[in-house]
Amino acid sequence: DQQVKQNSPSLSVQEGRISILNCDYTNSMFDYFLWYKKYPAEGPTFLISISSIKDKNEDGRFTVFLNKSAKHLSLHIVPSQPGDSAVYFCAASGNYGGSQGNLIFGKGTKLSVKP
Amino acid sequence: EPEVTQTPSHQVTQMGQEVILRCVPISNHLYFYWYRQILGQKVEFLVSFYNNEISEKSEIFDDQFSVERPDGSNFTLKIRSTKLEDSAMYFCASSDQGRYGYTFGSGTRLTVV
Repeated sequence: DQQVKQNSPSLSVQEGRISILNCDYTNSMFDYFLWYKKYPAEGPTFLISISSIKDKNEDGRFTVFLNKSAKHLSLHIVPSQPGDSAVYFCAASGNYGGSQGNLIFGKGTKLSVKP
Repeated sequence: EPEVTQTPSHQVTQMGQEVILRCVPISNHLYFYWYRQILGQKVEFLVSFYNNEISEKSEIFDDQFSVERPDGSNFTLKIRSTKLEDSAMYFCASSDQGRYGYTFGSGTRLTVV
């Protein structure tokens, strides 16, 4: 039961261009969404988050968009840099009876930014 | 910047043996978590721990698993009798804001042979 789906296992982008990573979810009780970045042999590193009361959150080169009606979120990286090459995980959480806020992760998208 | 420290970075164990994975969370954090990632699969929640007790656990976290915060600084995950399918990266995380601010450790790669 994949509650959080990242349908693109990989994405390749030219340096300086925009990277768009997508994520879909199925559980309407999710109210908080996060993006993590992961390099090999390291743990996930928090990148940016968004609450369900917002539709956009921006932090420097990173912007997360949330479309609640479509149960879809996306991460935009502009401009992309070679150091952004990593696996990006979308995660969701909800504070409801069956959950106290653990994170449900997608399978990740491997981003490669070419110089 | 404060870090979550996990030891060892890699552990190889025989099937059926007990293993203890160790974590030192960030010192002022109150919420502690274990997640795991089987190779090629997604990161999965195992257990959360708050106020010296388990607050939530997944169906993966069966009777073979236990967690402990023995001395106020360490947070351990014990697997009593390891199986081949327990082979995975195990990530510890801590937070001072619950689900709003996790910091993950670098993980322990557990290989069961």
